[in-house]
Amino acid sequence: SAVISQKPSRDICQRGTSLTIQCQVDSQVTMMFWYRQQPGQSLTLIATANQGSEATYESGFVIDKFPISRPNLTFSTLTVSNMSPEDSSIYLCSATPGQGKGMNTEAFFGQGTRLTVV
Amino acid sequence: GENVEQHPSTLSVQEGDSAVIKCTYSDSASNYFPWYKQELGKRPQLIIDIRSNVGEKKDQRIAVTLNKTAKHFSLHITETQPEDSAVYFCAARVVGQGGKLIFGQGTELSVKP
Repeated sequence: SAVISQKPSRDICQRGTSLTIQCQVDSQVTMMFWYRQQPGQSLTLIATANQGSEATYESGFVIDKFPISRPNLTFSTLTVSNMSPEDSSIYLCSATPGQGKGMNTEAFFGQGTRLTVV
Repeated sequence: GENVEQHPSTLSVQEGDSAVIKCTYSDSASNYFPWYKQELGKRPQLIIDIRSNVGEKKDQRIAVTLNKTAKHFSLHITETQPEDSAVYFCAARVVGQGGKLIFGQGTELSVKP
């Protein structure tokens, strides 16, 4: 199993400001993933963060709005920039410790960051 | 890209009854299909998964079936209990896309005592 720690767990932010969410994994992982979960909705993938290269963004998400850092194999950050009330959501990081070893293995999630933009 | 459809969106059953949730996927290259349970305010937790070389997998009261030809998979919960009440998500992982998971829309399961 893996332990993924995410912080902050929640925040209330003013529109126009930015928030950086941190995600720490207790083992080295090749890929880390950032998801958004709007109230009552499913998980939507924002981007895939690969250590040593730029993140790969899904359709509808752009680097200027959601810059991602991946400085090493256990850590990543997601920044929500120039926030508006529409960015109010839960943001989750995820990692699959066993991935890349020739087998599909479990993806683990951080506890999520509940963001409210006012 | 991969698209996962999940039905029903809500499901209410009596305690002791069975519950079935169904998902379809679009990309035949998908080879891993997990099911997650998410309780209110908590992170998703894996309850069972199946790989594309297997047709069925069972773990106590929970089972998953996979039909690769039809590109659909299903979650079966037998002898439901009130603590099974939660939102359940299916997902699919596509080979060669870095291991990302694409999720279905979710099913809110309510088990009435």
